Amino acid sequence: ETGVTQSPTHLIKTRGQQVTLRCSSQSGHNTVSWYQQALGQGPQFIFQYYREEENGRGNFPPRFSGLQFPNYSSELNVNALELDDSALYLCASSPPGTGNTGELFFGEGSRLTVL
Amino acid sequence: QKEVEQDPGPLSVPEGAIVSLNCTYSNSAFQYFMWYRQYSRKGPELLMYTYSSGNKEDGRFTAQVDKSSKYISLFIRDSQPSDSATYLCAVRNAGNNRKLIWGLGTSLAVNP
Repeated sequence: ETGVTQSPTHLIKTRGQQVTLRCSSQSGHNTVSWYQQALGQGPQFIFQYYREEENGRGNFPPRFSGLQFPNYSSELNVNALELDDSALYLCASSPPGTGNTGELFFGEGSRLTVL
Repeated sequence: QKEVEQDPGPLSVPEGAIVSLNCTYSNSAFQYFMWYRQYSRKGPELLMYTYSSGNKEDGRFTAQVDKSSKYISLFIRDSQPSDSATYLCAVRNAGNNRKLIWGLGTSLAVNP
């Protein structure tokens, strides 16, 4: 069984640029959520997608946007990058029926550095 | 005040020691409590999940929740060098969402 995979693993951008991060969810998982983890911090919830629609969002500005595709894979897009966007971006998928457990399966993350 | 407080450590113990990791939270609406382990340069992996107050045991790991004092704990018995990682507590409300609120994580080193 293939786990959650994310790409790219590392990338460097400059301020003002745009970035797209990709996530393939674990087989059979229909909910995808994205988290931002700054160095030495716990992850911060960005948003989650279910059935190709955003159905939950944390305190992130609109320049953070996402998509979920029919195969449940997902993208995170960040426009107008700022230095503080430098972080590890984690994608997590969840199988059906785990709404009450919050069981998330994480990928290894995409480490974004903004210069 | 942060919704979840966790001492970042670092915590260093000898192999075989009992490790106690703790978090406090501020919102009594939180119903689900989780512990994740994160190795360096990896994503978090779920270790333990508990609902409401009580204890849950899984091998060398025991998770404990005390809702009256808003306090959650993870105990690791017979700690091993392979347990060296960052341990993150996470909480969430009831409902069909995946929004977890996390502590900072405690860095643990188990020395052989």
